[in-house]
Amino acid sequence: EPEVTQTPSHQVTQMGQEVILRCVPISNHLYFYWYRQILGQKVEFLVSFYNNEISEKSEIFDDQFSVERPDGSNFTLKIRSTKLEDSAMYFCASQGETQYFGPGTRLLVL
Amino acid sequence: AQSVTQLGSHVSVSEGALVLLRCNYSSSVPPYLFWYVQYPNQGLQLLLKYTTGATLVKGINGFEAEFKKSETSFHLTKPSAHMSDAAEYFCAVSRNRDDKIIFGKGTRLHILP
Repeated sequence: EPEVTQTPSHQVTQMGQEVILRCVPISNHLYFYWYRQILGQKVEFLVSFYNNEISEKSEIFDDQFSVERPDGSNFTLKIRSTKLEDSAMYFCASQGETQYFGPGTRLLVL
Repeated sequence: AQSVTQLGSHVSVSEGALVLLRCNYSSSVPPYLFWYVQYPNQGLQLLLKYTTGATLVKGINGFEAEFKKSETSFHLTKPSAHMSDAAEYFCAVSRNRDDKIIFGKGTRLHILP
């Protein structure tokens, strides 16, 4: 069964560093999403992406964040200058009959 | 705006007992409703969803949920709890098929032996 994959599974970075989280959505899907889950809290929507542009973004998705689909398969989330409060699990999802979620990347900012 | 309220951040049931996890939603349009499960240190797995049609929805692992528009509820049930059901359960809502999903705060289900 096709699945959404994410790399890396874990990333530790220093505050102020740039990180890129990678996702490979399911191949024939057209809508892509990033969500995050701060430890012990609910899953929050960050951004949706369709036809090579952002279709919607949340208040969390400020200028420090960007998304890109650099080729036909990858979908990336970049955080330009990480803050301590960016520590969270980041989930990628792609839309088929429903939204399929990847396993997540756990980001720890020190 | 859409929102989800899950009653009870923690629920404990005995193995073999009925599981009932409560969810109420708010939506200005007919909602799409979901239940996701998250096992420790894992991602989100869809248990079941309601879009249109039959209001009683059956999902994986013996779970089911009933959409009650008059009560704006979408409670999750399972007749007989199993130890493997211990996990975090999230109720969620969206406006349509391709829209973002809004999650509730989650309910952690504990199964007592």
